[in-house]
Amino acid sequence: DGGITQSPKYLFRKEGQNVTLSCEQNLNHDAMYWYRQDPGQGLRLIYYSQIVNDFQKGDIAEGYSVSREKKESFPLTVTSAQKNPTAFYLCASTDTDTGELFFGEGSRLTVL
Amino acid sequence: EDQVTQSPEALRLQEGESSSLNCSYTVSGLRGLFWYRQDPGKGPEFLFTLYSAGEEKEKERLKATLTKKESFLHITAPKPEDSATYLCAAGENAGNMLTFGGGTRLMVKP
Repeated sequence: DGGITQSPKYLFRKEGQNVTLSCEQNLNHDAMYWYRQDPGQGLRLIYYSQIVNDFQKGDIAEGYSVSREKKESFPLTVTSAQKNPTAFYLCASTDTDTGELFFGEGSRLTVL
Repeated sequence: EDQVTQSPEALRLQEGESSSLNCSYTVSGLRGLFWYRQDPGKGPEFLFTLYSAGEEKEKERLKATLTKKESFLHITAPKPEDSATYLCAAGENAGNMLTFGGGTRLMVKP
Protein backbone atom coordinates (compact mmCIF):
# COMPACT_ATOMS: atom_id res chain seq x y z
CA ASP A 1 0.00 0.00 0.00
CA GLY A 2 1.28 3.44 -0.90
CA GLY A 3 1.43 6.05 1.76
CA ILE A 4 3.40 8.25 4.12
CA THR A 5 5.05 6.84 7.22
CA GLN A 6 6.03 9.07 10.11
CA SER A 7 8.06 7.97 13.09
CA PRO A 8 8.12 8.02 15.98
CA LYS A 9 4.43 8.50 16.78
CA TYR A 10 5.26 9.88 20.24
CA LEU A 11 8.50 11.55 21.29
CA PHE A 12 9.63 13.16 24.51
CA ARG A 13 12.50 15.60 24.59
CA LYS A 14 14.37 17.39 27.30
CA GLU A 15 14.95 21.08 26.93
CA GLY A 16 18.12 21.80 25.00
CA GLN A 17 18.04 18.61 22.94
CA ASN A 18 17.65 18.33 19.19
CA VAL A 19 15.27 15.68 17.88
CA THR A 20 14.63 14.38 14.37
CA LEU A 21 11.25 13.27 13.06
CA SER A 22 11.25 10.82 10.18
CA CYS A 23 8.98 10.99 7.13
CA GLU A 24 9.09 8.43 4.32
CA GLN A 25 6.74 8.19 1.32
CA ASN A 26 6.37 5.58 -1.41
CA LEU A 27 3.89 7.54 -3.52
CA ASN A 28 6.58 8.78 -5.92
CA HIS A 29 5.61 12.37 -5.15
CA ASP A 30 8.12 15.12 -5.83
CA ALA A 31 6.81 17.66 -3.31
CA MET A 32 6.84 17.10 0.45
CA TYR A 33 5.83 19.26 3.40
CA TRP A 34 6.05 19.59 7.17
CA TYR A 35 3.20 21.16 9.12
CA ARG A 36 2.78 21.94 12.78
CA GLN A 37 -0.61 21.71 14.50
CA ASP A 38 -1.34 23.11 17.96
CA PRO A 39 -4.47 22.19 19.94
CA GLY A 40 -7.63 23.59 18.38
CA GLN A 41 -5.71 25.23 15.57
CA GLY A 42 -5.21 24.71 11.87
CA LEU A 43 -2.03 23.64 10.10
CA ARG A 44 0.99 25.92 9.86
CA LEU A 45 3.68 25.27 7.26
CA ILE A 46 7.22 24.75 8.57
CA TYR A 47 9.22 23.72 5.50
CA TYR A 48 8.52 22.32 2.07
CA SER A 49 10.51 20.69 -0.71
CA GLN A 50 9.48 20.65 -4.35
CA ILE A 51 12.35 18.44 -5.50
CA VAL A 52 15.32 16.49 -4.19
CA ASN A 53 18.17 18.60 -2.78
CA ASP A 54 15.97 21.70 -2.60
CA PHE A 55 13.74 23.03 0.17
CA GLN A 56 12.13 26.29 1.20
CA LYS A 57 11.09 27.88 4.49
CA GLY A 58 7.42 28.04 5.31
CA ASP A 59 5.65 30.41 7.67
CA ILE A 60 7.22 29.16 10.92
CA ALA A 61 10.67 27.78 10.00
CA GLU A 62 12.63 29.31 12.90
CA GLY A 63 14.10 26.61 15.15
CA TYR A 64 13.61 23.84 12.59
CA SER A 65 15.80 22.30 9.87
CA VAL A 66 15.21 19.78 7.08
CA SER A 67 17.06 17.84 4.41
CA ARG A 68 15.93 16.22 1.18
CA GLU A 69 18.66 13.86 0.01
CA LYS A 70 16.26 11.28 -1.39
CA LYS A 71 12.88 11.62 -3.09
CA GLU A 72 11.29 9.31 -0.55
CA SER A 73 12.56 10.96 2.61
CA PHE A 74 12.09 14.38 4.22
CA PRO A 75 13.26 14.37 7.87
CA LEU A 76 12.56 17.31 10.18
CA THR A 77 14.92 18.30 13.00
CA VAL A 78 13.49 20.29 15.87
CA THR A 79 16.43 22.16 17.33
CA SER A 80 16.99 23.58 20.78
CA ALA A 81 16.40 27.02 19.24
CA GLN A 82 12.69 26.25 18.85
CA LYS A 83 11.22 27.95 21.91
CA ASN A 84 7.90 26.10 22.07
CA PRO A 85 8.30 22.76 20.30
CA THR A 86 5.52 20.80 22.01
CA ALA A 87 3.04 20.15 19.17
CA PHE A 88 1.65 17.63 16.70
CA TYR A 89 3.78 17.43 13.54
CA LEU A 90 2.38 16.30 10.20
CA CYS A 91 4.29 15.32 7.08
CA ALA A 92 2.58 15.41 3.69
CA SER A 93 3.27 14.98 -0.01
CA THR A 94 1.46 16.24 -3.09
CA ASP A 95 0.02 14.62 -6.14
CA THR A 96 1.03 17.38 -8.57
CA ASP A 97 -1.71 16.37 -11.04
CA THR A 98 -4.59 17.02 -8.63
CA GLY A 99 -2.94 19.20 -5.99
CA GLU A 100 -4.22 16.85 -3.28
CA LEU A 101 -2.13 16.55 -0.14
CA PHE A 102 -1.59 13.12 1.37
CA PHE A 103 -0.76 13.09 5.09
CA GLY A 104 1.09 10.82 7.44
CA GLU A 105 -0.35 9.83 10.81
CA GLY A 106 1.61 12.49 12.66
CA SER A 107 4.24 12.66 15.39
CA ARG A 108 3.46 14.15 18.78
CA LEU A 109 6.46 15.84 20.39
CA THR A 110 6.41 16.75 24.06
CA VAL A 111 9.16 18.75 25.75
CA LEU A 112 9.69 17.84 29.38
CA GLU B 1 -2.24 37.14 0.67
CA ASP B 2 -4.27 33.94 0.48
CA GLN B 3 -6.76 33.47 3.32
CA VAL B 4 -9.08 30.67 4.35
CA THR B 5 -11.58 31.09 7.19
CA GLN B 6 -13.80 28.37 8.57
CA SER B 7 -16.94 28.79 10.65
CA PRO B 8 -18.12 27.91 13.14
CA GLU B 9 -15.06 26.87 15.15
CA ALA B 10 -17.13 24.23 16.93
CA LEU B 11 -20.53 22.74 16.25
CA ARG B 12 -22.60 20.46 18.46
CA LEU B 13 -25.42 18.53 16.81
CA GLN B 14 -27.87 15.90 17.90
CA GLU B 15 -27.82 12.71 15.89
CA GLY B 16 -29.98 13.27 12.81
CA GLU B 17 -29.79 17.07 12.99
CA SER B 18 -28.52 18.29 9.61
CA SER B 19 -26.27 21.35 9.31
CA SER B 20 -23.57 23.03 7.22
CA LEU B 21 -19.95 24.04 7.75
CA ASN B 22 -18.62 27.12 5.99
CA CYS B 23 -15.23 27.78 4.37
CA SER B 24 -14.58 31.27 2.99
CA TYR B 25 -11.50 31.72 0.85
CA THR B 26 -9.51 34.44 -0.86
CA VAL B 27 -6.93 33.18 -3.33
CA SER B 28 -5.57 34.63 -6.54
CA GLY B 29 -6.69 31.97 -9.01
CA LEU B 30 -8.22 28.92 -7.34
CA ARG B 31 -6.72 25.63 -8.42
CA GLY B 32 -8.83 23.56 -6.07
CA LEU B 33 -10.73 23.66 -2.77
CA PHE B 34 -10.02 20.64 -0.56
CA TRP B 35 -11.93 19.18 2.37
CA TYR B 36 -10.31 16.89 4.93
CA ARG B 37 -11.55 15.05 7.99
CA GLN B 38 -9.22 14.74 11.00
CA ASP B 39 -9.78 12.45 13.97
CA PRO B 40 -7.98 13.21 17.26
CA GLY B 41 -4.31 12.23 17.15
CA LYS B 42 -4.46 11.27 13.46
CA GLY B 43 -3.43 12.85 10.17
CA PRO B 44 -6.09 14.51 8.01
CA GLU B 45 -7.97 12.21 5.67
CA PHE B 46 -8.94 13.46 2.21
CA LEU B 47 -12.67 13.89 1.52
CA PHE B 48 -13.26 16.05 -1.56
CA THR B 49 -11.69 18.35 -4.12
CA LEU B 50 -13.80 21.00 -5.86
CA TYR B 51 -12.36 22.81 -8.84
CA SER B 52 -14.95 25.28 -10.12
CA ALA B 53 -17.94 27.29 -8.88
CA GLY B 54 -21.15 25.30 -9.02
CA GLU B 55 -19.43 21.96 -8.55
CA GLU B 56 -20.84 19.55 -5.97
CA LYS B 57 -19.53 16.24 -4.62
CA GLU B 58 -21.14 13.74 -2.28
CA LYS B 59 -19.94 10.93 -0.06
CA GLU B 60 -22.37 9.15 2.25
CA ARG B 61 -23.88 11.85 4.51
CA LEU B 62 -21.51 14.57 3.30
CA LYS B 63 -21.98 16.94 0.39
CA ALA B 64 -19.51 19.67 -0.57
CA THR B 65 -20.42 22.68 -2.70
CA LEU B 66 -18.39 25.56 -4.10
CA THR B 67 -19.05 29.16 -5.05
CA LYS B 68 -16.57 31.83 -6.13
CA LYS B 69 -16.02 32.92 -2.53
CA GLU B 70 -16.90 30.00 -0.28
CA SER B 71 -17.47 26.33 0.10
CA PHE B 72 -19.99 24.49 2.24
CA LEU B 73 -19.84 21.04 3.72
CA HIS B 74 -23.40 19.88 4.28
CA ILE B 75 -23.95 17.05 6.73
CA THR B 76 -27.28 15.27 6.40
CA ALA B 77 -28.65 13.27 9.34
CA PRO B 78 -25.25 13.01 11.06
CA LYS B 79 -24.25 10.09 13.25
CA PRO B 80 -21.89 10.11 16.24
CA GLU B 81 -19.16 8.60 14.06
CA ASP B 82 -19.16 11.80 11.99
CA SER B 83 -17.65 13.60 14.99
CA ALA B 84 -14.26 14.96 13.93
CA THR B 85 -12.50 18.16 12.91
CA TYR B 86 -13.17 19.17 9.33
CA LEU B 87 -10.47 21.16 7.56
CA CYS B 88 -10.72 23.02 4.31
CA ALA B 89 -7.80 24.23 2.23
CA ALA B 90 -7.45 26.32 -0.91
CA GLY B 91 -4.78 25.80 -3.53
CA GLU B 92 -3.84 28.42 -6.05
CA ASN B 93 -2.88 27.93 -9.66
CA ALA B 94 0.74 28.91 -9.11
CA GLY B 95 2.49 26.05 -7.35
CA ASN B 96 1.48 23.22 -5.05
CA MET B 97 0.84 25.14 -1.85
CA LEU B 98 -2.38 24.85 0.12
CA THR B 99 -3.65 27.42 2.61
CA PHE B 100 -5.60 25.82 5.45
CA GLY B 101 -8.46 27.17 7.51
CA GLY B 102 -8.55 26.73 11.28
CA GLY B 103 -11.01 23.84 11.11
CA THR B 104 -14.49 23.16 12.49
CA ARG B 105 -14.75 20.69 15.35
CA LEU B 106 -17.98 18.75 14.92
CA MET B 107 -19.53 16.84 17.81
CA VAL B 108 -22.58 14.67 17.16
CA LYS B 109 -24.40 13.41 20.24
CA PRO B 110 -26.55 10.27 20.18
